[in-house]
Amino acid sequence: GAGVSQTPSNKVTEKGKYVELRCDPISGHTALYWYRQSLGQGPEFLIYFQGTGAADDSGLPNDRFFAVRPEGSVSTLKIQRTERGDSAVYLCASSPGALDTQYFGPGTRLTVL
Amino acid sequence: DQQVKQNSPSLSVQEGRISILNCDYTNSMFDYFLWYKKYPAEGPTFLISISSIKDKNEDGRFTVFLNKSAKHLSLHIVPSQPGDSAVYFCAALDQGTYKYIFGTGTRLKVLA
Repeated sequence: GAGVSQTPSNKVTEKGKYVELRCDPISGHTALYWYRQSLGQGPEFLIYFQGTGAADDSGLPNDRFFAVRPEGSVSTLKIQRTERGDSAVYLCASSPGALDTQYFGPGTRLTVL
Repeated sequence: DQQVKQNSPSLSVQEGRISILNCDYTNSMFDYFLWYKKYPAEGPTFLISISSIKDKNEDGRFTVFLNKSAKHLSLHIVPSQPGDSAVYFCAALDQGTYKYIFGTGTRLKVLA
């Protein structure tokens, strides 16, 4: 079956611009997670959705970051006024339920010039 | 403060030998752990997990050992194959928040 997909695979933008990163989870998975992986680090939690609602957004670094999942399936991570420090690989994962194994997408590599 | 630590950034092993990857954690409340494997330009792929009610879990060539008193787990790969060359991440599930807390990874290179 289809795994988690993320688009775009690469995104290059200029400092100050707005970007949207998309995640298509595995069909039927109610839990969806966003992580950020910087060079030489492990993935760091950003936000967790259960259905349509953000159950935990404690990992979002500041209010420039926002994520939505309006219909409980596809999710979009939105970053306003991008900064060079936002450059990283943004990973999405989904799981059937909150305590089930998380399955990751290939990630979106964001580069802010 | 890093709650999950992988102190070896890299490891090289000869094909056919055993690979041992280590992971330490600081939070004694963690009770479920996972190992993920990551190839370049791909997302992490789930490999094996262990619950704190067990001290060992085996799946083919992969075995994870958990030492709760030492807050230490390890992944054993026997025999190692060149296709095992990847970055391996240890993760702990924070059951209060459902998020995974990852270590920084160990890059394994299996030499043919």
